[in-house]
Amino acid sequence: EAGVVQSPRYKIIEKKQPVAFWCNPISGHNTLYWYLQNLGQGPELLIRYENEEAVDDSQLPKDRFSAERLKGVDSTLKIQPAELGDSAVYLCASSLGDKYTDTQYFGPGTRLTVL
Amino acid sequence: QQPVQSPQAVILREGEDAVINCSSSKALYSVHWYRQKHGEAPIFLMILMKGGEQKGHDKISASFNEKKQQSSLYLTASQLSYSGTYFCVTENTGNQFYFGTGTSLTVIP
Repeated sequence: EAGVVQSPRYKIIEKKQPVAFWCNPISGHNTLYWYLQNLGQGPELLIRYENEEAVDDSQLPKDRFSAERLKGVDSTLKIQPAELGDSAVYLCASSLGDKYTDTQYFGPGTRLTVL
Repeated sequence: QQPVQSPQAVILREGEDAVINCSSSKALYSVHWYRQKHGEAPIFLMILMKGGEQKGHDKISASFNEKKQQSSLYLTASQLSYSGTYFCVTENTGNQFYFGTGTSLTVIP
């Protein structure tokens, strides 16, 4: 079975440019998460979807970040405009959504460098 | 709301044991443990649910004390492959997830 797929794996942009990341979760997983991970730190949740609905976006900087999960499968995370401090690894994870066995499976991440 | 882990870092020789602690200031519904190797995505180890249970497989086990809002991960007879950063992930009663501060574990021959 295929795991969580993310693209691109690496992205280098100049500040003030827009950037988008794409995530395809494991088939059948209703819950999708976007995390930001800075070097040497743990992942920080940006947004969590249950199907198409964003159920927790309290930590998403909405002035520049946006996300969507059309049709409840693939998801896109966008930053516009990017700032130097956005350089980080952006991880996508998915889970079945069953509260009692809600293991999160992570994708390989997208490493963003903002120059 | 980020759970605090201790120690921040630990170095072990193969075969030695280690304990990693995770403490939250919020009431918890569950605790998950993940291991992340450098440059890779976090990998799930186990989940412990409200009820104060203990779990384990192979030489890695964990306990969850919901009254103290704490969880501990126990690694026995460590192997080189255990090296990595360990994160607890707490789920509070509002169904919100937070990764812990992380514990870097290095196993040397």
